[in-house]
Amino acid sequence: EAQVTQNPRYLITVTGKKLTVTCSQNMNHEYMSWYRQDPGLGLRQIYYSMNVEVTDKGDVPEGYKVSRKEKRNFPLILESPSPNQTSLYFCASSLGSGGSYNEQFFGPGTRLTVL
Amino acid sequence: SQQGEEDPQALSIQEGENATMNCSYKTSINNLQWYRQNSGRGLVHLILIRSNEREKHSGRLRVTLDTSKKSSSLLITASRAADTASYFCATDQAGTALIFGKGTTLSVSS
Repeated sequence: EAQVTQNPRYLITVTGKKLTVTCSQNMNHEYMSWYRQDPGLGLRQIYYSMNVEVTDKGDVPEGYKVSRKEKRNFPLILESPSPNQTSLYFCASSLGSGGSYNEQFFGPGTRLTVL
Repeated sequence: SQQGEEDPQALSIQEGENATMNCSYKTSINNLQWYRQNSGRGLVHLILIRSNEREKHSGRLRVTLDTSKKSSSLLITASRAADTASYFCATDQAGTALIFGKGTTLSVSS
């Protein structure tokens, strides 16, 4: 089944404790991205990757890191989480980044709480 | 970043009625997409309309695009309780990211 998976689905952590949220897709998509969703603010892009070893900042990259060592995986790293990073996070992938190729396939989401 | 803005923010209707939600955006686009999100879950792609298209249908969904007014509308006909969800428009502005609006929350009661 074609899908985007994220782990963990739920995470409660404390300020400053490094964490990684994994994202994997099995559709051989080139483009992957991370979004955060907050009430009243909609979805905002954190980082994106157009291919292996190619990543770039989205709208709200501060406090986050990503890597794309393999095509299928795109982990999101919070080196020193803070309470303002409490949010619902989504990973998404698409064939490409433009034209008809940027239909996004979303993962199920990771609800992160930073105390 | 530029954003699509959906209108209304919330919409409540009865089963069987039609639901119309609108999206306005600010700059030229390559395409505009609509997504649905059930509460707390991942977004699901509904339909994509290219900038050179004016109308598109998919089942009970009808999307229109008016590039002169920089607006789009999503019509769901004969709504069902299962259509209860948030609906987002997303614009492709010839860049490297889709820009999502804040969504319209649709509630369909039986």
